[in-house]
Amino acid sequence: QVQLVQSGTEVKKPGASVKVSCRASGYTFSDYYIHWVRQAPGQGLEWMGWVNPNSGGTNYAQRFQGRVVLTRDTPISTAYMDLSRLTSDDTAVYFCARDLSSATVVTVLDFWGQGTLVTVSS
Amino acid sequence: DIQMTQSPSSLSASVGDRVTITCQASQDISNYLNWYQQKPGKAPKLLIYDASNLETGVPSRFSGSGSGTDFTFTISSLQPEDIATYYCQQYGNLPPTFGGGTKVEIK
Repeated sequence: QVQLVQSGTEVKKPGASVKVSCRASGYTFSDYYIHWVRQAPGQGLEWMGWVNPNSGGTNYAQRFQGRVVLTRDTPISTAYMDLSRLTSDDTAVYFCARDLSSATVVTVLDFWGQGTLVTVSS
Repeated sequence: DIQMTQSPSSLSASVGDRVTITCQASQDISNYLNWYQQKPGKAPKLLIYDASNLETGVPSRFSGSGSGTDFTFTISSLQPEDIATYYCQQYGNLPPTFGGGTKVEIK
């Protein structure tokens, strides 16, 4: 069965960076785009970007441009989200999610990781 | 960015009631609209994609309709396990954007 398993809780100081991993299993990792979505405490969902596990190509939401880097390590079926220059506003649960389409990116998110809480506090 | 306006923000209904949530896009998104269910402390779960297609394994009491800018999500007979927050999400234009959510509670 398809599973996305994320790395554990992180606590960071303002100005630091965080790297969250997302290990996929149960399907061919290179065939489906991986998206990252975050959710601040008590708030809604915010799309951050996607990575093409086959080519490594990426697309980022403009508000995260220059601060987020999405990468992948295809041999170990793992995607990564690296967010730099953290502030308290980045305190959130970060989710990875698989795109439903294997042909192209459509942003229909059919499988999700369990989420990783990132707390930014001095 | 396309704004997705969801209403109501919360509702309370009895078991067996028909529940309807609406989502309005700030511009035409054709049928590029998904609905997700999120229970507390859990990841969202895809219920409906392309406005009206039921995801595999999702109970048939859930349905969606609409196109263009106006969309509706319906639970035909509310069950206790449907207590959750529901989000719409458009992917007609980049960046994909979500509605603010509708929290569904049992009366």
